[in-house]
Amino acid sequence: DAGVTQSPTHLIKTRGQQVTLRCSPKSGHDTVSWYQQALGQGPQFIFQYYEEEERQRGNFPDRFSGHQFPNYSSELNVNALLLGDSALYLCASSGQREKLFFGSGTQLSVL
Amino acid sequence: GDSVTQMEGPVTLSEEAFLTINCTYTATGYPSLFWYVQYPGEGLQLLLKATKADDKGSNKGFEATYRKETTSFHLEKGSVQVSDSAVYFCALSDFSNFGNEKLTFGTGTRLTIIP
Repeated sequence: DAGVTQSPTHLIKTRGQQVTLRCSPKSGHDTVSWYQQALGQGPQFIFQYYEEEERQRGNFPDRFSGHQFPNYSSELNVNALLLGDSALYLCASSGQREKLFFGSGTQLSVL
Repeated sequence: GDSVTQMEGPVTLSEEAFLTINCTYTATGYPSLFWYVQYPGEGLQLLLKATKADDKGSNKGFEATYRKETTSFHLEKGSVQVSDSAVYFCALSDFSNFGNEKLTFGTGTRLTIIP
């Protein structure tokens, strides 16, 4: 079982650009959540997808959007990048009432 | 809203020392409580959990007890090893109406064990 896989592992962008991060959930999981972990901080919940719909959302601006595909994989999109968007972006998957499994994350640097 | 406050680090201990990392929380309702560990270059791994008051979670020699009266979930280990060096996060979840966890994390405590 491959667990939760994220791509790419590292990414460098400049201010104002747009970025797409990808996540494949653990086999058998149908729910994907995204978290942002700034340097030296704990992860913060961005949003959660289930049945291709955004089900819950944290306190993030509309620049952050996502998508879930029929195979349960997911994308996180960030538009108009700011320096403050530099962080480790973590994807986590789960099944109904199962614990979360986290991927290793995508390190995004905005210059 | 929900929040988690945990002991600031970094924490440096000698091998075989006793470890305590403090964690307190604020939440409406009756959250589940967790400790996650993050090793360098890796994602978060669940270390232990407790879902109701007075429950004790334990794993790999680590323990934490859900104390509702003090809203705390302190992590302890009797004898730490070099391999325990990592960042530890306290977290809570409110299953809300959906049955899937949305976690609120503390800021993390970096633990370094010296041989």
